[in-house]
Amino acid sequence: QVTLRESGPALVKPTQTLTLTCTVSGFSLRTSGMCVNWIRQPPGKALEWLARIDWDDEKYYSTSLKTRLTISKDTSKNQVVLTLTDMDPVDTATYYCARSGFTGTTFVYWGQGTLVTVSS
Amino acid sequence: SYVLTQPPSVSVAPGRTARISCGGSNIGNNIVHWYQQKPGQAPVLVVFDDSDRPSGIPERFSGSNSGNTATLTISRVEAGDEGDYYCQVWDAGSDHPCVFGTGTKVTVL
Repeated sequence: QVTLRESGPALVKPTQTLTLTCTVSGFSLRTSGMCVNWIRQPPGKALEWLARIDWDDEKYYSTSLKTRLTISKDTSKNQVVLTLTDMDPVDTATYYCARSGFTGTTFVYWGQGTLVTVSS
Repeated sequence: SYVLTQPPSVSVAPGRTARISCGGSNIGNNIVHWYQQKPGQAPVLVVFDDSDRPSGIPERFSGSNSGNTATLTISRVEAGDEGDYYCQVWDAGSDHPCVFGTGTKVTVL
């Protein structure tokens, strides 16, 4: 059974760096074809894709946030980590991690999401 | 970057057919996926690769994609189909490979 679970702070201050962890089970981050993504959704707004990391450590980033984002993985811990620097109130959102299907183009398995609020 | 435009809302009576459009430049040249999201929940994939359904998704959900518009069709709409729907494209050749549509809220009357 594939599961993903996001964890991290619920509240961060402006200018701080956000670090979120996605802990996965039911599959290995080393397995060929495995890709994990981060996607966010501001309250009442649409989904926004942020980043993806593949089993071979290939990484993809949103062009609009590329300078602020870093995605990495720790295969020994079955974790994917996202950092977003210089947080602003507009970054307030529910952050999801999601595993791609084998073609890498869909999001088949999702975590439950974690709400991050940016406020002083 | 690539923009996918959806109608903000679609209202449909139970038992009727709902059609949700997703407009994008030459979207027919891309593969489109669709997600359903209910309040307070993570999205669920309902159609992938333009017109295929994951296991467990009713046959009432179908998709098509041609030209500048992809369409998600929900036949024999039920109250449980109410929610937000998003189209999505992955373009491996783009600097920004993944785009979601603007989202459509489906209301069952």
